[in-house]
Amino acid sequence: EVQLVESGGGLVQPGGSLRLSCAASGFTLGIYWMTWVRQAPGKGLEWVANIKQDESEKYYGDSVRGRFTVSRDNAQNSLYLQMNSLRDEDTAIYYCARDTGSYYTDYWGQGTLVTVSS
Amino acid sequence: QSALTQPASVSGSPGQSITISCTGTSSDVGAYNYVSWYQQHPGKAPKLMIYEVSNRPSGVSNRFSGSKSGNTASLTISGLQAEDEADYYCYSYRTGRPASFVFGTGTRVTAL
Repeated sequence: EVQLVESGGGLVQPGGSLRLSCAASGFTLGIYWMTWVRQAPGKGLEWVANIKQDESEKYYGDSVRGRFTVSRDNAQNSLYLQMNSLRDEDTAIYYCARDTGSYYTDYWGQGTLVTVSS
Repeated sequence: QSALTQPASVSGSPGQSITISCTGTSSDVGAYNYVSWYQQHPGKAPKLMIYEVSNRPSGVSNRFSGSKSGNTASLTISGLQAEDEADYYCYSYRTGRPASFVFGTGTRVTAL
């Protein structure tokens, strides 16, 4: 069974940093693109970042480019999102999702909540 | 990055058919057949309902169907049921340098 479990969320002050993790199981992480998506409270979904299987390509949304970095460790079946210079508007549930390679995601984790507030 | 445009809400009586539109541009929805649709119930993670415009994943009811014309994609729910009440989002690849992805603004479906 495919499972994605996010962790690392919590309360952080504006300007701070946080590293999210996504533990994958039930499939071989190394053969899939992976995606991070977020959802602010009461708002819609927002694409955050994508990463290729070998980390040779990474893409970011305009609102996080230059502040967030996506990475992965296929041997550890883990995906990461390093978030720096956090802002109030980064407050959201962050989901990791498996990308099929055909520009859509088929499995999602349950998400981890990040709250940026002083 | 501007979101794809969806109606805020769509409603219908149980058993009826409803259609949700997703309007983009020639750089995203109109560029390729890389439009997918997700269903999200309150407090839950999104679930894939349609991929590549009109394909249904295994396990998704055949009451859900997708189509596209020009820069607008559509999701149709036939025989609306109470369990279909949820938020629905379209998602598309967007060409450019760099390439990106974009969600729709989301549509709340209500069974009256």
